[in-house]
Amino acid sequence: GENVEQHPSTLSVQEGDSAVIKCTYSDSASNYFPWYKQELGKRPQLIIDIRSNVGEKKDQRIAVTLNKTAKHFSLHITETQPEDSAVYFCAAIRGGSNYKLTFGKGTLLTVNP
Amino acid sequence: GAGVSQSPRYKVAKRGQDVALRCDPISGHVSLFWYQQALGQGPEFLTYFQNEAQLDKSGLPSDRFFAERPEGSVSTLKIQRTQQEDSAVYLCASSMGQGVGANVLTFGAGSRLTVL
Repeated sequence: GENVEQHPSTLSVQEGDSAVIKCTYSDSASNYFPWYKQELGKRPQLIIDIRSNVGEKKDQRIAVTLNKTAKHFSLHITETQPEDSAVYFCAAIRGGSNYKLTFGKGTLLTVNP
Repeated sequence: GAGVSQSPRYKVAKRGQDVALRCDPISGHVSLFWYQQALGQGPEFLTYFQNEAQLDKSGLPSDRFFAERPEGSVSTLKIQRTQQEDSAVYLCASSMGQGVGANVLTFGAGSRLTVL
């Protein structure tokens, strides 16, 4: 089945700096890659996603890049703010199905004021 | 409803007790998922429904876990004879199941189960 590796597990940045979180996946048939943000004790919320026919997608301060050849995708947050502090999860649709998301283990991002 | 609702938000059970967790998905969402999230981990797939049909239950850890969605809307995850290793947050998610939003999951706030 699909395997998603995410790193780093923790990331601490100063307010205003950029943050980058990277994920790799194992199944070349995976075709949908969402990123979720989860604040402590709250539900995971979709912040951005990308499909395999696109190499990059941007939404204000957040961007995601996808390298299908290398089977990795990254989340980029620019001009970080304290409210960006949360756990971020990447995920991929397993090859052979179009519904079962496999998640990475998460990255705890701390933005220091 | 406007979002995915789950109840109870918190449940403490003694080892061996049965528990039932409820999920009310977004109205009209065809697909419903249950995920288990252990502390400090990402969500792990448990089971998937398309309307009332349970199409995949490969992630259920044991036969003590049972899920149903009899009318294609509300779903219940039941855990029999709870064990300490069942302690986790149980997340429900729903999606439209077709079209552009087919894979876009909206999660509920989860039910945190603690087994003593």
